[in-house]
Amino acid sequence: DSGVTQTPKHLITATGQRVTLRCSPRSGDLSVYWYQQSLDQGLQFLIQYYNGEERAKGNILERFSAQQFPDLHSELNLSSLELGDSALYFCASSPRGRWETQYFGPGTRLLVL
Amino acid sequence: GDSVTQMEGPVTLSEEAFLTINCTYTATGYPSLFWYVQYPGEGLQLLLKATKADDKGSNKGFEATYRKETTSFHLEKGSVQVSDSAVYFCALSGTLRTQGGSEKLVFGKGTKLTVNP
Repeated sequence: DSGVTQTPKHLITATGQRVTLRCSPRSGDLSVYWYQQSLDQGLQFLIQYYNGEERAKGNILERFSAQQFPDLHSELNLSSLELGDSALYFCASSPRGRWETQYFGPGTRLLVL
Repeated sequence: GDSVTQMEGPVTLSEEAFLTINCTYTATGYPSLFWYVQYPGEGLQLLLKATKADDKGSNKGFEATYRKETTSFHLEKGSVQVSDSAVYFCALSGTLRTQGGSEKLVFGKGTKLTVNP
């Protein structure tokens, strides 16, 4: 158990809809990272937040957004969903934004029908 | 841009066999290199890392050496166990630092390993 929690574990929705994925980092970790894992694209970095502020952006679509709240939990919002957004979404956290000490959550599996 | 290429799986071995999973990278500059492991139904865990050329990372019987001359970071284990069955990802930290000092992490596509008793 990494100490990072993600909810929900599974999500099934329809095209055009909007969903919110939630992540609680390990106690004391200030940085949160979001990744998307799909069969065709592999594991892709989406976005990083550090202590409430956006720190780095990766291959995140404009339809996707994220935020980190004062209690350090983070939410990833996916809107206007398409079939191709079906994937496993991971959250990871680290103490001070150092990439090599990332701790991953179990992921949220999203299926868009 | 930076990229990682690792051998395609799946790889199936018998218990106590020798394991090699090849990983090569393309990067400008001097990235740090990592191997992550993903057990069924779980998130990724850092397995080992190396931060400069000729460094050897090791953990749980696995090891990998950062070879700058061949741009490789192959994962090896002398005797695999059934419990090693997982997906293994090679990754590098980007050589271009983003605003704020964060480094982008680039992953290979993963290699699924199955070890049979």
